[in-house]
Amino acid sequence: QKEVEQDPGPLSVPEGAIVSLNCTYSNSAFQYFMWYRQYSRKGPELLMYTYSSGNKEDGRFTAQVDKSSKYISLFIRDSQPSDSATYLCAMMGGNEKLTFGTGTRLTIIP
Amino acid sequence: GAVVSQHPSRVICKSGTSVKIECRSLDFQATTMFWYRQFPKQSLMLMATSNEGSKATYEQGVEKDKFLINHASLTLSTLTVTSAHPEDSSFYICSAQHGTEKGYTFGSGTRLTVV
Repeated sequence: QKEVEQDPGPLSVPEGAIVSLNCTYSNSAFQYFMWYRQYSRKGPELLMYTYSSGNKEDGRFTAQVDKSSKYISLFIRDSQPSDSATYLCAMMGGNEKLTFGTGTRLTIIP
Repeated sequence: GAVVSQHPSRVICKSGTSVKIECRSLDFQATTMFWYRQFPKQSLMLMATSNEGSKATYEQGVEKDKFLINHASLTLSTLTVTSAHPEDSSFYICSAQHGTEKGYTFGSGTRLTVV
């Protein structure tokens, strides 16, 4: 079993829709939870990160962490074609190393 | 925000030759940098942790003699793929920690093709 599971998609939604991206994990030691956006042939770009359980909002993006269920989510409101990319979840425990999901390829259809 | 510059963005080399990839932190010092490789449609896999002034720490299964890492200054880490073979063809990405921020900053990646 992988430490971090993420549905690779692809996921296609119409412009303006709410997008929900999710990851599950098995390692209870993870304390920090990140979401990255990666455009084709580019390095990942950090969108946001949260510590422990709870919600965090930044503009159109909301991250949720439920440590009891080992489940994290990223919601994108009012999705735009420019949001089309691969979204990677990543997690970190005490060793300061990131463990990534496989990424979900998202396409926003105009 | 913090910026990590990675060069080259793309390189093609012949089998048996060595290739060096540079990763620079701009406007901040990075005592720790990380090197990843990513295969198509797969996740980023950590190869090694690069520490300024000391030897790199390699992940299990990564050949340290093949993937030489040097972190000679607080702003520069290099990855050298020695005696490259076609199976080394991949997307290599570095990252650095800016201060105590947990969300590391990534370089733009290097696509290596060995022919």
